[in-house]
Amino acid sequence: GAGVSQSPSNKVTEKGKDVELRCDPISGHTALYWYRQRLGQGLEFLIYFQGNSAPDKSGLPSDRFSAERTGESVSTLTIQRTQQEDSAVYLCASSLTWTGWYEQYFGPGTRLTVT
Amino acid sequence: SQQGEEDPQALSIQEGENATMNCSYKTSINNLQWYRQNSGRGLVHLILIRSNEREKHSGRLRVTLDTSKKSSSLLITASRAADTASYFCATGEGAQKLVFGQGTRLTINP
Repeated sequence: GAGVSQSPSNKVTEKGKDVELRCDPISGHTALYWYRQRLGQGLEFLIYFQGNSAPDKSGLPSDRFSAERTGESVSTLTIQRTQQEDSAVYLCASSLTWTGWYEQYFGPGTRLTVT
Repeated sequence: SQQGEEDPQALSIQEGENATMNCSYKTSINNLQWYRQNSGRGLVHLILIRSNEREKHSGRLRVTLDTSKKSSSLLITASRAADTASYFCATGEGAQKLVFGQGTRLTINP
């Protein structure tokens, strides 16, 4: 079946503009995660959604970052008033469930460049 | 916050040799996972080892876990050019949150 997809694959924006990144998880996966990866660095956890429970937003770096998920499908990550330090690859992942430990399936990422 | 720390940061070996990467972590974990990343994009899951397991194999991969030392190792045997990638360990804490290390950049020279 189809894997995790993300759009756009690349986004260049001017400082101060808002951007919206989209993630389509694997069908049937109830858990969805967002990560940020700066150049040459590891993955930084941002937020995760688990079914209909309240999301874990503990990794969001500031109130300029927000994310939503519609049921158990599409998620959008919104960054308001972008700053140059927001430049990174934003990765989305999904997993079968949160009631146990399962591997996470990653999308190809969105490379965000703030000029 | 980063918990897993991979060692070395970069590793370059000849094709056919074995590659060993290490990961250390700080707090108690439920499990530890290894992922591979090609070209700075999406990660691919390699193997998951639970906290009550000591060793696990998958093809040419062997993972060990020593919870007393809070460390894990990933061994890739008979390396191939296609193994060139960055390798990350990720520790599972609490409710499904994975904490990733900085990664090891592995280069396999033909």
